[in-house]
Amino acid sequence: AQSVTQLDSQVPVFEEAPVELRCNYSSSVSVYLFWYVQYPNQGLQLLLKYLSGSTLVKGINGFEAEFNKSQTSFHLRKPSVHISDTAEYFCAVSELGQNFVFGPGTRLSVLP
Amino acid sequence: DVKVTQSSRYLVKRTGEKVFLECVQDMDHENMFWYRQDPGLGLRLIYFSYDVKMKEKGDIPEGYSVSREKKERFSLILESASTNQTSMYLCATRDAGPHYGYTFGSGTRLTVV
Repeated sequence: AQSVTQLDSQVPVFEEAPVELRCNYSSSVSVYLFWYVQYPNQGLQLLLKYLSGSTLVKGINGFEAEFNKSQTSFHLRKPSVHISDTAEYFCAVSELGQNFVFGPGTRLSVLP
Repeated sequence: DVKVTQSSRYLVKRTGEKVFLECVQDMDHENMFWYRQDPGLGLRLIYFSYDVKMKEKGDIPEGYSVSREKKERFSLILESASTNQTSMYLCATRDAGPHYGYTFGSGTRLTVV
C-alpha cells in the first residue's frame, strides 16, 4: 500500500532564504505526485504535479519539485521565500490514478 | 475555475446531534470526496463517490454516512455527533481520469461539545 512521509512537521525560515520541504513515498507501482498548499482557514490549492516526463516540475508562486524515482522522493523547493508563503504544505501520491494518499503536512513559517 | 462550496465555515453542535455537512460543485465532476484534517495526521479519507447514488468507504468511515442524490451535491452525515469528531472537514472533487488533481472546498471546522 502506498504511504507518504513528510519528515519535517515544522520548518521556520527567514524571508528571502531558500527552503526545501521533503516528501518521501512508498509504492511498488508507478505513481503520480502532487504538492498542495493550505493557507490559514482555507482549503488546499494545487501547487504542482508530476505525471511523467521531466523530473523537474515547476509550479505556481515560484515553487518547483524534483521527482527522484530511486529515492522515492518528491522534494519541494523555492530559492527565495516570502512572508506570504507561510502556510501548510501537503505532499500527495496517487498510484496509477487511484485515490490520493496525503502526507501529514509541513508547516512553513517565514520569518521577517 | 471549478468551484467547490461547503455550506458552513464554522459549526458548533452538541453531542448526539445529527449533523449534515453539504458540498456543492459547479463543474460536472464525476468524483467527490470527504476528508477530515487533524493536526499531525494530514488528510484522512472518510467517504468518496464516483457517480450519483454511488458511495464507497474510505479509510475512516465509522460514525459517518454520505448521500449523493445529484451529481453536484455530496453530503456528509454524522449520525450521532461525538466529541472525537471535532475536526476540519474538507470536500474535494476530481474530474474523471488519472491526470487530474483534486479541487478542494474551503473547509468546515466542526466543533462538537
